[in-house]
Amino acid sequence: KAGVTQTPRYLIKTRGQQVTLSCSPISGHRSVSWYQQTPGQGLQFLFEYFSETQRNKGNFPGRFSGRQFSNSRSEMNVSTLELGDSALYLCASSTGDFVSYEQYFGPGTRLTVT
Amino acid sequence: DQQVKQNSPSLSVQEGRISILNCDYTNSMFDYFLWYKKYPAEGPTFLISISSIKDKNEDGRFTVFLNKSAKHLSLHIVPSQPGDSAVYFCAAKPDRGSTLGRLYFGRGTQLTVWP
Repeated sequence: KAGVTQTPRYLIKTRGQQVTLSCSPISGHRSVSWYQQTPGQGLQFLFEYFSETQRNKGNFPGRFSGRQFSNSRSEMNVSTLELGDSALYLCASSTGDFVSYEQYFGPGTRLTVT
Repeated sequence: DQQVKQNSPSLSVQEGRISILNCDYTNSMFDYFLWYKKYPAEGPTFLISISSIKDKNEDGRFTVFLNKSAKHLSLHIVPSQPGDSAVYFCAAKPDRGSTLGRLYFGRGTQLTVWP
């Protein structure tokens, strides 16, 4: 099976702009979770989507949003970018059925805000 | 709310010796625990997991121990190899509630295995 793919891998944006990141989960996986990784902060949970519905949400401002399509592909959007949004954004897929709990990560999108 | 804590940001071990990475948690509703390994410029890779009904799980050179009463788990790598040098994340899953589908991660421990 193909793994989790994320596009683009690298992105440079200016403060105030918006950005959309894409994630394609492993075939058959219906849950997609998004994380932000910054130095020293580990993986901060953004949100989880399952069957096109947001099932869980972390403590991030409303500038961070996401959605999931019927084929389980997911997008994450950040509006009005701030310098502090510079980070590695990771998406992870899982079955979402609470039988198997392992999440499988993509390579991430490195976002730099200048 | 850091419910999963990895108090050692780094660990340095000689090749061939044992590496012990520790993780503490505060939420008694966590019932499933996972370890991930992350190399630079890559996403985390699932390594090993353990259910709260067990106190040990082994997979090759990797063993995870769980002490529920102390809310503590550890990952043992024996023998350690230079290729094990990476950041290791501990994660936990709640057994109920609105956050059922979510994993909580620690901040990671950088393991360096030197020859």
